[in-house]
Amino acid sequence: DVKVTQSSRYLVKRTGEKVFLECVQDMDHENMFWYRQDPGLGLRLIYFSYDVKMKEKGDIPEGYSVSREKKERFSLILESASTNQTSMYLCASSGTGGKQPQHFGDGTRLSIL
Amino acid sequence: RKEVEQDPGPFNVPEGATVAFNCTYSNSASQSFFWYRQDCRKEPKLLMSVYSSGNEDGRFTAQLNRASQYISLLIRDSKLSDSATYLCVVFKAAGNKLTFGGGTRVLVKP
Repeated sequence: DVKVTQSSRYLVKRTGEKVFLECVQDMDHENMFWYRQDPGLGLRLIYFSYDVKMKEKGDIPEGYSVSREKKERFSLILESASTNQTSMYLCASSGTGGKQPQHFGDGTRLSIL
Repeated sequence: RKEVEQDPGPFNVPEGATVAFNCTYSNSASQSFFWYRQDCRKEPKLLMSVYSSGNEDGRFTAQLNRASQYISLLIRDSKLSDSATYLCVVFKAAGNKLTFGGGTRVLVKP
């Protein structure tokens, strides 16, 4: 079974802090994704990566950056956290090809105070 | 207009009944389609892919209508455990990313 592990299930940070969310997958997948999920808005793609050191902006990249130094690890960084970044963050990975399903981590519920 | 639209529901379904709901997509270049299931406070999980000819997986049937740009999911003999939010997901090769609908909530009641 594919395992996607997110470093924290719940996280509370303060406005202005730099926040790191970590995601690790164990299936040697090329593609990794970061989403946020908010009530009424569904899942929205923040960033994704096809390969090590590669990244592409998703639909809502503002206020975020990412890092993929190793194939199995994809980090989401909130440069200066703001209250509107309070959300559920979901990491996913998939193999190459459009028909490959995405496998999600358990999610990190992040609160910015 | 959203790229992928779903009726948010909830669809209240008596146990044992059949429920069906649709998802419309706006981009005719969309290539692959999926239904994911998400339980409350859990991550989305792939339920089934949707093939052009339609496909079944046990009590679940998925259909694709390219002409009208929608996909559907039908659940027969609903179980209490089918209560969840069902996410419609569309893949376009251009951009190489999935777009998720907002989800349709289904509540199966005894």
